[in-house]
Amino acid sequence: KQEVTQIPAALSVPEGENLVLNCSFTDSAIYNLQWFRQDPGKGLTSLLLIQSSQREQTSGRLNASLDKSSGRSTLYIAASQPGDSATYLCAVWGGADGLTFGKGTHLIIQP
Amino acid sequence: GAGVSQSPSNKVTEKGKDVELRCDPISGHTALYWYRQSLGQGLEFLIYFQGNSAPDKSGLPSDRFSAERTGGSVSTLTIQRTQQEDSAVYLCASSQTGTTSYEQYFGPGTRLTVT
Repeated sequence: KQEVTQIPAALSVPEGENLVLNCSFTDSAIYNLQWFRQDPGKGLTSLLLIQSSQREQTSGRLNASLDKSSGRSTLYIAASQPGDSATYLCAVWGGADGLTFGKGTHLIIQP
Repeated sequence: GAGVSQSPSNKVTEKGKDVELRCDPISGHTALYWYRQSLGQGLEFLIYFQGNSAPDKSGLPSDRFSAERTGGSVSTLTIQRTQQEDSAVYLCASSQTGTTSYEQYFGPGTRLTVT
């Protein structure tokens, strides 16, 4: 059974810092990996999707990498802003059913 | 265009009552997914539809849960004889197809509280 782990569980940094969120998964037989953000009381917003054949994806200040063989992904946030404060979720899709999610990293950017 | 919509946004019900949650996917998306997010728990996959059929219902927590999708569009998740442990946010997502690596887009969720 696929398991997804996110480290750290929580992170608080001053505005302007670059930061890395980590995600690991136990079964490398995935079709894709998605990073989401979730604001309190809200649904999920998709940030980046990496296909299994890709190594990274970039969107603005966000860069996500995927090393499928080692079961790892990282989300890099450059020049963090207070508006980046949210819970960041990593999820993998094995193709047969739904996404398997990690428990998330709760991120606080201090102004 | 419109995203995934869900209704109601909030539902408070008494233990033992039945509830019905609705999901309207993005137009043209053939795959539809239901998830549950309980307090202190991660996001849990419940069921998915490819068109109107659900290949695997084993993710549903108990036989009190059922889901259907008609016309390849709107889906309803029904919980019979609700219990307090059913309290959670129920999220729906859709994607362009369930057989290739397309993104899943999520609705805002329905917050269910069983008293």
